[in-house]
Amino acid sequence: KQEVTQIPAALSVPEGENLVLNCSFTDSAIYNLQWFRQDPGKGLTSLLLIQSSQREQTSGRLNASLDKSSGRSTLYIAASQPGDSATYLCATPLHTDKLIFGTGTRLQVFP
Amino acid sequence: EAGVTQFPSHSVIEKGQTVTLRCDPISGHDNLYWYRRVMGKEIKFLLHFVKESKQDESGMPNNRFLAERTGGTYSTLKVQPAELEDSGVYFCASSLQGRGYTFGSGTRLTVV
Repeated sequence: KQEVTQIPAALSVPEGENLVLNCSFTDSAIYNLQWFRQDPGKGLTSLLLIQSSQREQTSGRLNASLDKSSGRSTLYIAASQPGDSATYLCATPLHTDKLIFGTGTRLQVFP
Repeated sequence: EAGVTQFPSHSVIEKGQTVTLRCDPISGHDNLYWYRRVMGKEIKFLLHFVKESKQDESGMPNNRFLAERTGGTYSTLKVQPAELEDSGVYFCASSLQGRGYTFGSGTRLTVV
C-alpha cells in the first residue's frame, strides 16, 4: 500500500530564503510524481511533473528532484516570495492511475 | 485550452438534502477523476472514469454517492441524502494517459 508523507507540515520563513520541501513514499515502483500548489479556497495548480525515468524538473524558481530508490522527492524553492505562500502537495499515482496525496506542507513567506 | 471546470464553487445544504456536483474536463481527456478533501485530512481518491466507463470506484464512501459521466464528456457526482460528514472540498481532475493531472478549482460542500 502506497503511503505518501510530507514534512514539514508547516513552514514560516522570511522573504528571500531558499526552501526545501520533502515528500516520501513507501513504494518505490512509482510511475511519476507530481507537485501541486493549493491556495486557500482555490483548486490545485500543477507545478512540476517528474516521470519515473527522470531525476529532476525545473520551472522558474522551482526545482523538483526524484530519488526512487530512497522513496523521496524534494521541492526546492529559490528566493522565496510572499506570493509563494500556499499549501504544497505531492502526489503519485498507483498502477490504477489514482493519485495518492501527501498531507501537504503549509508555507507562509512573510515580507 | 480551457481548464477543468467545476460547479457550483460552493454549496450549503441541509442534512438529508440532495446535491449534484458537475465537472467538465479538458476536451479530449478520456480520464476523469473525483477526489475529496475533508477537514484536516489528505485529499483522497473517489473514482476514475475512462470515457464513460467507471474504471475504479474503490474510493466511493458509500451508496449515497453516485457518479455518472454521460457520453464520456462531463461528469456529475450526486450525494443523496447528504450527511454532515460529507462536508469537504470535492475536486475533479482530468488527464491524458501517462501525463499529469489538471485539477478543477473544486466545489466546497457544507452540510448543516
